[in-house]
Amino acid sequence: RKEVEQDPGPFNVPEGATVAFNCTYSNSASQSFFWYRQDCRKEPKLLMSVYSSGNEDGRFTAQLNRASQYISLLIRDSKLSDSATYLCVVNRIGGSQGNLIFGKGTKLSVKP
Amino acid sequence: EPEVTQTPSHQVTQMGQEVILRCVPISNHLYFYWYRQILGQKVEFLVSFYNNEISEKSEIFDDQFSVERPDGSNFTLKIRSTKLEDSAMYFCASSETSGDTQYFGPGTRLTVL
Repeated sequence: RKEVEQDPGPFNVPEGATVAFNCTYSNSASQSFFWYRQDCRKEPKLLMSVYSSGNEDGRFTAQLNRASQYISLLIRDSKLSDSATYLCVVNRIGGSQGNLIFGKGTKLSVKP
Repeated sequence: EPEVTQTPSHQVTQMGQEVILRCVPISNHLYFYWYRQILGQKVEFLVSFYNNEISEKSEIFDDQFSVERPDGSNFTLKIRSTKLEDSAMYFCASSETSGDTQYFGPGTRLTVL
């Protein structure tokens, strides 16, 4: 089983749509979870951390289910500028310095 | 806003040559990392560095790779004898503390011919 698994997409949605990304991770001892976004040929940029109680930042809502080892990201009222690849990222346990394990990403295209 | 910088943005080299990729982490950060991303694939951890020594390295980081902090600002990744399969984007990242948010540089695209 892959360490971090995501639906590869692509998701093609119209502006204003709500879109949901799902992710599963294999190491039950993982402690930190993130969503990064990556534009084409650019560096990953932190979108938001994911907390056990779930958290929201404007149009973005992240959820974590430790029992199912499942992470989600919901984008409401999607904008053209949301077009990017969304990376599910987990902090490696056993590594002393917080090394990150990335999923392969889900590509999102928001169309006018 | 402080940011991680990397040079060069694109490096083309011949197979077997040595390359050095350079990074300037955010100034008050203490933890440094190198990741790579082969075209079309996921971002992969290479090595982490703290207190002037390697903290952890992946199986990718073999004897051909080395890292160094030659002065108070630069953090370098050296590939001793490049192979075709080393062609990738190499990202440097830094964080203030262990487990803290990692900020990524813009990357160096390495092309090995």
